[in-house]
Amino acid sequence: GAGVSQSPRYKVTKRGQDVALRCDPISGHVSLYWYRQALGQGPEFLTYFNYEAQQDKSGLPNDRFSAERPEGSISTLTIQRTEQRDSAMYRCASSLGSRRTSNTGELFFGEGSRLTVL
Amino acid sequence: GDSVTQMEGPVTLSEEACLTINCTYTATGYPSLFWYVQYPGEGLQLLLKATKADDKGSNKGFEATYRKETTSFHLEKGSVQVSDSAVYFCALSGRNTDKLIFGTGTRLQVFP
Repeated sequence: GAGVSQSPRYKVTKRGQDVALRCDPISGHVSLYWYRQALGQGPEFLTYFNYEAQQDKSGLPNDRFSAERPEGSISTLTIQRTEQRDSAMYRCASSLGSRRTSNTGELFFGEGSRLTVL
Repeated sequence: GDSVTQMEGPVTLSEEACLTINCTYTATGYPSLFWYVQYPGEGLQLLLKATKADDKGSNKGFEATYRKETTSFHLEKGSVQVSDSAVYFCALSGRNTDKLIFGTGTRLQVFP
């Protein structure tokens, strides 16, 4: 597709279960970002990749959260042993990632995956 | 660390009123500054940006000027429309990264 695609759009799970959220970036985009957005708040950075390399995971809240992008395209954010405080909208974004262009900072966001942990 | 502070909402206006949403930032070096908008039921999308001091970003009648001396990037529009109703996020990125740091967002409601 033309835009960033995320799935599932909605996920309801019970506390203690693992969840995997998928992001399919815009074709050709080098960089891929994961953000978490609580209700009434701005997006909070979690991690990002250039190609398949995870460049920064400083925003991952704890070791229950992990992300991968094995072939430099689709990415999966995994939350193990979910807790109620993990409930939020999880947003993926991609960018060209080239420092040679004027596209600095233009991230293209998907519609998000809303996670509810009961 | 770097941060963005923006005015709390909601901001409620009548159609054709003037809009200002305040945004200030704290950053080391010279960040790039952005306004993103989220319309109901949609993802965030870039509204405008400015990459150096005194630059003015503009789009869809919205403007914002990068003011280094006041570390501000206030969003303005002279005449809002009902279709401008959305949540507006101010954001910054450092010089060597596209990683964005967002403010908390300001909801704008425009009534006919």
